[in-house]
Amino acid sequence: QSVLTQVPSASGTPGQRVTISCSGSRYNIGTNTVNWYQHLPGTAPKLLIYDSNQRPSGVPGRFSGSKSGTSASLAISGLQSDDEADYYCSAWDDTLDSVLFGGGTKLTVL
Amino acid sequence: QVQLVQSGGGVVQPGGSLRLSCAASGFTFNIYAMHWVRQAPGKGLEWVALIWYDGSKENYADSVKGRFTISRDNSQNSLYLQMNSLRAEDTAVYYCVRDFGGNYGMDVWGQGTTVTVSS
Repeated sequence: QSVLTQVPSASGTPGQRVTISCSGSRYNIGTNTVNWYQHLPGTAPKLLIYDSNQRPSGVPGRFSGSKSGTSASLAISGLQSDDEADYYCSAWDDTLDSVLFGGGTKLTVL
Repeated sequence: QVQLVQSGGGVVQPGGSLRLSCAASGFTFNIYAMHWVRQAPGKGLEWVALIWYDGSKENYADSVKGRFTISRDNSQNSLYLQMNSLRAEDTAVYYCVRDFGGNYGMDVWGQGTTVTVSS
């Protein structure tokens, strides 16, 4: 069981805005920044958001991140069919001295 | 271009050992921390280990502590994962990953290599 909690699934229709949440504790999200990854089956994961709300070059502005207290969110606006993927949050945990990943959220575009 | 090319992996019996390798190119390897991350069949991503840019410090997930060792050779631009006392639950695709710098974001991923622990 992951220390970072994500809902297992989410869905939306093309053009819609969806939000994926990640809940942690004061020892991880409460203290450190959050990174988000997109993972398509059979490929390597891709960094979408770093430092809770920063986008690497090449990541569309449709993807945005935020953090408040011990929770973080990834928002995807203008949903597209190729956004269908697994999304993972991650953060450093100060007590475990480890990187933690959330359990992942499978996004379906209806 | 920036890339990480992995080798090693395969099928090993429970209790056995395996060494994964990762060759970096296209960037200055010796200024980046590096990770290993794995994904078991049907499961999510799991962080395995981290080594600092100069090899001075290592961190491990509790699930592999005492059995796995991460190491690097900056003169060869290479990262390694020595896996001992392998268990069935270590069966996964293993990724070599570059640390983005600062807050453990991971921006460059290897192609992944499969490790299967089975008798």
